[in-house]
Amino acid sequence: AQSVSQHNHHVILSEAASLELGCNYSYGGTVNLFWYVQYPGQHLQLLLKYFSGDPLVKGIKGFEAEFIKSKFSFNLRKPSVQWSDTAEYFCAVATTINQAGTALIFGKGTTLSVSS
Amino acid sequence: KAGVTQTPRYLIKTRGQQVTLSCSPISGHRSVSWYQQTPGQGLQFLFEYFSETQRNKGNFPGRFSGRQFSNSRSEMNVSTLELGDSALYLCASSRKESNLWNEQYFGPGTRLTVT
Repeated sequence: AQSVSQHNHHVILSEAASLELGCNYSYGGTVNLFWYVQYPGQHLQLLLKYFSGDPLVKGIKGFEAEFIKSKFSFNLRKPSVQWSDTAEYFCAVATTINQAGTALIFGKGTTLSVSS
Repeated sequence: KAGVTQTPRYLIKTRGQQVTLSCSPISGHRSVSWYQQTPGQGLQFLFEYFSETQRNKGNFPGRFSGRQFSNSRSEMNVSTLELGDSALYLCASSRKESNLWNEQYFGPGTRLTVT
């Protein structure tokens, strides 16, 4: 079964610091990877996704992620964080269940706190 | 375009009761998935519906069930509530028949508290 692990439970940064959140997934054939963000009081929103092609994918709000197949990793990065990036970040992999339909398997999430 | 809507937003129930949660997908979306979010277990897949058929189900007991209507709206039901069912229940919709390449759009969730 697919699984996703996020290395950091809680990350605290100052504004303008660089961010890297780790995500590793278990191998299960074709992988499609996502990063979602949940801002305080808001619903889950898609930050970026990787389906195929260029392993460096760019998302909204200046976020990017790099898919490294050999390391089973899909780390999220941002060169300079802002206070408004304070949120919970979830890495997810799309997996097929019972040969029919798919489900998103999520990591446990990383809480990012950015101080101004 | 309206997003995924879920009702009610908050719910308080007593152990042993049952509860029904509702989800209206984005217009034109035919696939609806449900997830349970708790501090301990994180986000866990419950089940997915497409064209009124349950296509797959996560590892939850039979007390958790759902259905989808012809207009793609979906409901999930939890019977004989337990304290551990307290969670945020999220609904997500996607446009096509679910496959590995579909993006899922999430609703705000229903916060269920079981006392």
